[in-house]
This record gives sequence, structure tokens and C-alpha cells, in this order.
Amino acid sequence: DVKVTQSSRYLVKRTGEKVFLECVQDMDHENMFWYRQDPGLGLRLIYFSYDVKMKEKGDIPEGYSVSREKKERFSLILESASTNQTSMYLCASSLGPGQQYEQYFGPGTRLTVT
Amino acid sequence: AQSVAQPEDQVNVAEGNPLTVKCTYSVSGNPYLFWYVQYPNRGLQFLLKYITGDNLVKGSYGFEAEFNKSQTSFHLKKPSALVSDSALYFCAVRGGGGFKTIFGAGTRLFVKA
Repeated sequence: DVKVTQSSRYLVKRTGEKVFLECVQDMDHENMFWYRQDPGLGLRLIYFSYDVKMKEKGDIPEGYSVSREKKERFSLILESASTNQTSMYLCASSLGPGQQYEQYFGPGTRLTVT
Repeated sequence: AQSVAQPEDQVNVAEGNPLTVKCTYSVSGNPYLFWYVQYPNRGLQFLLKYITGDNLVKGSYGFEAEFNKSQTSFHLKKPSALVSDSALYFCAVRGGGGFKTIFGAGTRLFVKA
């Protein structure tokens, strides 16, 4: 089974702090994704990576950056956390670039910014 | 532009009764359609997908979904609901040659014993 792990389940940070969310997948998947999940809004794509050191902006990249130095690891960085970034963050991976591939999700990190 | 609509925020059903969770989509070209389920405090789990071929797709935990091209729908169904099916269900679509998956807002399913 594919396993996607995220570094923290719950995180509380202060406004202005730099926040790192880490994601690791163990199935050699090419594609990795970061989403945020908010009630009534579903999942919104923040960033997508289709290869090491490659990234694409999603629908809501403002205030975020990402890093993918190794194939199995995809990090989401909040440069200066703000209260409107309080949310559930989900990492996912998929086997290849084709549209037919489903995504495998980590358990999520619930981030609270105070 | 791609979009997914889940018209019901919540669906209530009695255990043992059939359930349907509705999804409609809009995409250019051929759609790739997915259903995911999220149990409390968990990430999303893949249930099933439609890529091509038979319009009735079977997936995990006894769920199935019917692709209807003329109605641009992909409703999730199960013949007999279980209390353990209570969860948040997301419909998703990819298409038009893009890399993004568009997710619906989610439908919360409550199955009452």
C-alpha cells in the first residue's frame, strides 16, 4: 500500500512565524501535491510538483512556497504565517502525470495560526 | 473551466437502505472522474474512478458509481448503507489536458442505525 506521511497532525503557530510542513511518500510517485481543506470549499490546490526541483502553482499559491529536493519528499513553507492560513493541509501523491491516476493522501496537518 | 458540483451538503439515510451521493461536472474533452471518502480526522481515501469503458464503475467497500455523459453526472451509490459509511465524500474531476484535479465541496453522509 502507498503510504503518505505528514510531519505533524496538529500545529499551533504565531502570526509572522515561518512554518514548514513536511510530506513523505514511500512509493516512488512522480507527482506530489499540497492542498488546503476548508469547510464548504472542498480541497484547493496550493502547489504541485511533477518531478524533483519542479513545481507548478495551483489555485491559491499566495503566501506559500514549496521545496522538492528529493523525489519522496515535498515540503510546504508558509513564509510568514497569517491567521487566514489556519486550515487543514493535505499532502497527496500520484503515480504519474497521466490524468487517469488517483491520488493518495496523507492524514493531514491541522494548522492553527494565532 | 473545469468544475464539480455536489448539490447536497448532507445526505441522511437509514442503515440497510440504498444511498446515493450526487455529483455533476463540467470539463472540456473526456472527463476522468473520481470519488474519495474522508473519515473523521483522516486524509482522503480513494474509492473509485471512471476513465473509460463501462459506465458503471465498482469500487471499495461495496460502492459503485454511474457515469452519465448526457447528464454530466457521476453519482455514487451503494445498495445497502452501513453506519460505518458515515463520512465526508468528495467527487473530483480531471480533464481538458490539465494537471489539476478539481474537487467538489463535499457531501456529508449520515447513516442512522
